[in-house]
Amino acid sequence: GAVVSQHPSWVICKSGTSVKIECRSLDFQATTMFWYRQFPKQSLMLMATSNEGSKATYEQGVEKDKFLINHASLTLSTLTVTSAHPEDSSFYICSAHPAGGKTQYFGPGTRLLVL
Amino acid sequence: EDKVVQSPLSLVVHEGDTVTLNCSYEVTNFRSLLWYKQEKKAPTFLFMLTSSGIEKKSGRLSSILDKKELFSILNITATQTGDSAIYLCALGATNKLIFGTGTLLAVQP
Repeated sequence: GAVVSQHPSWVICKSGTSVKIECRSLDFQATTMFWYRQFPKQSLMLMATSNEGSKATYEQGVEKDKFLINHASLTLSTLTVTSAHPEDSSFYICSAHPAGGKTQYFGPGTRLLVL
Repeated sequence: EDKVVQSPLSLVVHEGDTVTLNCSYEVTNFRSLLWYKQEKKAPTFLFMLTSSGIEKKSGRLSSILDKKELFSILNITATQTGDSAIYLCALGATNKLIFGTGTLLAVQP
């Protein structure tokens, strides 16, 4: 149980394009999902907390207009990197917190490379 | 400001050795402390600790929390090459996780 999927697993795009990453909880409902970014040889940095049916809560220093988050249902959250630049290249990981659960479950991550 | 500090940053050992990874923290509203193992993809859950002095154990891995001194350790006995990974300590505060920088463990044959 408690499986989280992400799609795509990797993506290469040109600078200036937008990229959408999906995070799904496959066998549970998640009122809260989290988006992290991890640069090489660094730890996970929380970008934002995604709440079903309401606006996401962004961490300090994360541009909400650049990283659009939509949590349309209890099993799906999407992160759209708008007008991507090479410095946005990173490993993006989502996690989902089951309602009433004690911990978060991580997706497999999405590697983004912006050329 | 809540923060998590892990040490050492990296560690190279030989198979069969025992290692101890450290995690210290500062937090306003402690809820839990978690350990994860990260290989090439997303972290996989190891332990969640909420109470001081109670050891959690899973095979060759064990962990304990000291809420008075604000630290936790992760022990791995009889290390194997498959233990090579980044080990992440995370602080559960309110409704989110705050990760430490991680310890890169390399186990040589």
